[in-house]
Amino acid sequence: DQQVKQNSPSLSVQEGRISILNCDYTNSMFDYFLWYKKYPAEGPTFLISISSIKDKNEDGRFTVFLNKSAKHLSLHIVPSQPGDSAVYFCAASARGGSNYKLTFGKGTLLTVNP
Amino acid sequence: DAGITQSPRHKVTETGTPVTLRCHQTENHRYMYWYRQDPGHGLRLIHYSYGVKDTDKGEVSDGYSVSRSKTEDFLLTLESATSSQTSVYFCAISDGKGFRLGEQYFGPGTRLTVT
Repeated sequence: DQQVKQNSPSLSVQEGRISILNCDYTNSMFDYFLWYKKYPAEGPTFLISISSIKDKNEDGRFTVFLNKSAKHLSLHIVPSQPGDSAVYFCAASARGGSNYKLTFGKGTLLTVNP
Repeated sequence: DAGITQSPRHKVTETGTPVTLRCHQTENHRYMYWYRQDPGHGLRLIHYSYGVKDTDKGEVSDGYSVSRSKTEDFLLTLESATSSQTSVYFCAISDGKGFRLGEQYFGPGTRLTVT
């Protein structure tokens, strides 16, 4: 049973345009959400996060939106750059627990074309 | 970057042989995790540790064991490697403190091939 779903395996956008990556979750206990970026042959790196008490968090070109009623979050990248081409993983955590485990989606491969 | 190293970075082994992967951190973080990444599956948790000698299973723990005798080291052992364990293995750490609870920092990965 997949608790975190990224239904788009890949996304292609033009440089300078907006990239929107989507993520859905099913576990209502999740209260903290993260996005990770992964380049080939490297480990994932933390990008941005959002707590369930917020509906938006911005960090430079990256904004994450959370819609708790729909159990949906999205990552917006504006403007997109070729260096943003990578696999993006959505992850969720139920921080009420004592082990701080993350549940990851399967990832979306973003390609930004020059 | 968080101080996490993994060794070896690449390994080829034969079916049935034991394999141990090592994760070493210099951040003194309490939590350590082992994941595997496979095409079409994303990142899946194998085992994790919430302190020295304290470990628990993740979602794909069958065929794997772990040990943590020191804060800085977390070992993943495949007792008898199988071809289905061919994968890229990532170690991650977390201090579990502050607002960013749950935020994990990943090592560079180990590519394991079982022939």
